[in-house]
This record gives sequence, C-alpha cells and structure tokens, in this order.
Amino acid sequence: GAVVSQHPSWVICKSGTSVKIECRSLDFQATTMFWYRQFPKQSLMLMATSNEGSKATYEQGVEKDKFLINHASLTLSTLTVTSAHPEDSSFYICSALGGSSPSKYGYTFGSGTRLTVV
Amino acid sequence: QQQVKQSPQSLIVQKGGISIINCAYENTAFDYFPWYQQFPGKGPALLIAIRPDVSEKKEGRFTISFNKSAKQFSLHIMDSQPGDSATYFCAAGGYQKVTFGTGTKLQVIP
Repeated sequence: GAVVSQHPSWVICKSGTSVKIECRSLDFQATTMFWYRQFPKQSLMLMATSNEGSKATYEQGVEKDKFLINHASLTLSTLTVTSAHPEDSSFYICSALGGSSPSKYGYTFGSGTRLTVV
Repeated sequence: QQQVKQSPQSLIVQKGGISIINCAYENTAFDYFPWYQQFPGKGPALLIAIRPDVSEKKEGRFTISFNKSAKQFSLHIMDSQPGDSATYFCAAGGYQKVTFGTGTKLQVIP
C-alpha cells in the first residue's frame, strides 16, 4: 500500500515563532506533494503543490513567504509556518501522489497536523 | 480553483438505510472523481474513485454513480452503519490537482 506519515500530529507554538511540519511517503516515491489547510467543519483548501527539486506552486491568496515549502527528496516535503500568528491556527494536511494505486491518480493523505498558535 | 458543489451539508440516516451524497462539478476537463472519508482529527482516506468513462462503480457497500452529461456524481452507502459516521468529501480533478467539495457530515443512528 501507500502510506504517508505526517509529523507532528499536533503542535502548540507561541506567536511569532516558526513551526515545521514534515510529510513523508514511507513506501513509495512521491514526485508531487500537496499541502492543504482545513478550518473546523470546512473543506480542504489547497495551499500549494510541490514537485521534488523545484519551487512550490502556491494557490492564489497563499503567502509564499509565510508558508515555506521544501520538497528536497522524493520522500519528504516540509511546510514551515513562519512568524506564526493565532490566525494561522488550523489543521494542515499533506498528500502525496504515487504509491501502489492501480491508477496513476493515487493521492494518499497524511493524518494531518493540528497547529495552535497562542 | 474550480468549484465542486456538494450536498447535503449534513445527513442523518438510520442504521441499515441508504446514505446518498451528491456532487456537481464545472470543469469538463476533470477526469478523476474520488470520494474521501474523514474522521475528526484525521486526514481524509480514499473510499472509492471513478473515471468518466464509466457510469457506476461499486466497492462493497459503496457505489459511485456518475452522470457525465449532467456533470454530477453521487456516493451511495448501502446498509449504513454507525461506524460510517464521518465527514465525506467528494473531489474532482486530474493528475496534478483535485478540488474538494464542501463536505457532508453523516451520522448513522442505531
């Protein structure tokens, strides 16, 4: 199967600090990873798409300098929330494209990271 | 992002009943239509997906019906169980990107 590990599962940080969230594909190589943000009782909003070895593509309205994405290898992408503020508190979810799905459209999601900025 | 409209927002079904969730999309270039199940505090998990070249796909108690001309697709959960209580998201897109619907919170009562 395809497994995506996301870490940490929850984090509390002080306003003004930075937080890094990791997304790893454990048993497959993911050339493309996606980062989503989900507010309570709402849908997943795509923040950015990252391809290994290249700059991430951000969706309209997402601050590139605030949400730094690095996809340095085929199994790891990181999202760093810089200078976090309470309004950045949310549930962040990554997904990776690839794995053993019979279809090339195999998106596998991580378990999410609950970020609380105090 | 292209819109994907999902209804209803919430749904209460008795155990053993049929749960039906509907979605509509706009972009005719979309060629991948998955459904995800999400429990509180967890990431979405793929339930079932369909491509536009078929009108129906069934996996166990879960069936997707797809109407290409109407640009609509739906999820049917047969013999709904309390363990099916979760939020369900439809999505539509392609190889590089999918757009999610707004979600349906399903509650299956005994």
